[in-house]
Amino acid sequence: SQTIHQWPATLVQPVGSPLSLECTVEGTSNPNLYWYRQAAGRGLQLLFYSVGIGQISSEVPQNLSASRPQDRQFILSSKKLLLSDSGFYLCAWSPGQGEAFFGQGTRLTVV
Amino acid sequence: QKEVEQDPGPLSVPEGAIVSLNCTYSNSAFQYFMWYRQYSRKGPELLMYTYSSGNKEDGRFTAQVDKSSKYISLFIRDSQPSDSATYLCARNTGNQFYFGTGTSLTVIP
Repeated sequence: SQTIHQWPATLVQPVGSPLSLECTVEGTSNPNLYWYRQAAGRGLQLLFYSVGIGQISSEVPQNLSASRPQDRQFILSSKKLLLSDSGFYLCAWSPGQGEAFFGQGTRLTVV
Repeated sequence: QKEVEQDPGPLSVPEGAIVSLNCTYSNSAFQYFMWYRQYSRKGPELLMYTYSSGNKEDGRFTAQVDKSSKYISLFIRDSQPSDSATYLCARNTGNQFYFGTGTSLTVIP
């Protein structure tokens, strides 16, 4: 069966520090991969998605970047965090059409 | 215009009640429809998934799609306190997913 791992679960980082969040998927190949941010009481905001290694589509211009160095690995990064980067970050995978499956999320607090 | 509209609630019901959660969407292209359950501080969990009009049942949950009116619903029978969560509707076309903002449900024992 397929599983998705996302870590860390919580993170507190100072303003100006770098960020690296990692997501890996097991049990499938060539998945579509997604990074979302969810603000309290608001919907899911798509940040990046990838349909293959090295292929990244950015939905929102911002302080973040994404990379897909391997087929089942998706990384969300920042060189210098801002206070506004605080939020709940979710990684998801999809077989290409149909349902998406989410990781457990990373709660990021920038202080 | 939002791709998926969902009443945010909150919705509060007594244990054992039938719950009805609803969403509307605006695109007519072929697509898939999903319902997710999200507990506080957790990732969304897929509950139901369908692509056709009509009803799909899974235990106490029934997903209903009406493509003529662009309306999707989730019914929960015999609601339990453990059903207290936020429920998200979603649709998928190609590589894109569109999510509702979620309905917060509380089931009171």
